[in-house]
Amino acid sequence: AQSVAQPEDQVNVAEGNPLTVKCTYSVSGNPYLFWYVQYPNRGLQFLLKYITGDNLVKGSYGFEAEFNKSQTSFHLKKPSALVSDSALYFCAVRDTDGNFNKFYFGSGTKLNVKP
Amino acid sequence: GAGVSQSPSNKVTEKGKDVELRCDPISGHTALYWYRQSLGQGLEFLIYFQGNSAPDKSGLPSDRFSAERTGGSVSTLTIQRTQQEDSAVYLCASSLGSSTIYFGEGSWLTVV
Repeated sequence: AQSVAQPEDQVNVAEGNPLTVKCTYSVSGNPYLFWYVQYPNRGLQFLLKYITGDNLVKGSYGFEAEFNKSQTSFHLKKPSALVSDSALYFCAVRDTDGNFNKFYFGSGTKLNVKP
Repeated sequence: GAGVSQSPSNKVTEKGKDVELRCDPISGHTALYWYRQSLGQGLEFLIYFQGNSAPDKSGLPSDRFSAERTGGSVSTLTIQRTQQEDSAVYLCASSLGSSTIYFGEGSWLTVV
């Protein structure tokens, strides 16, 4: 069955330090992978996606993510965190096999960046 | 429009009343999704529309929930006889084919 797991409910990091938000997935076909960010009282904003090609994907606000097929992971990273990065982050996968229309979202990870 | 537009942005309703939530997708987007998000929680898929195909209603939690999409554009999510557990943010998203989905700002529903 298709699924996305974000194993950490919350990630705490100091401003200026690198951050990683973890995501693993399970699909039957080739995955399309996405990261979204949600600021308080707002909708979800698209950050980046992996469809094919280079395993390292760069997105908005200095974020990047690395697709690792053998580990079925798509972790979100940023070299130097900002306080303004504090938000809720969602990983999502779209399966190219089966129901291509559905996006499967993780449960979300709250990122806290402290000054 | 430039983005996905949802209305109302906030709605407070009495238990037992019906509510309608509206979504206007990005112009030209053929796919439209409704999700529900309880306070600070993950996203719960409700329903999906793609062009003229029959909608995927597999996520609707009960028969009190229904949605339609008129003319392949605007969609309305209707909740009948609202209950307190229906209180949540209802998020609409749209996409063009197999690409990224883009979300609106949500409709915040409070049932009192």
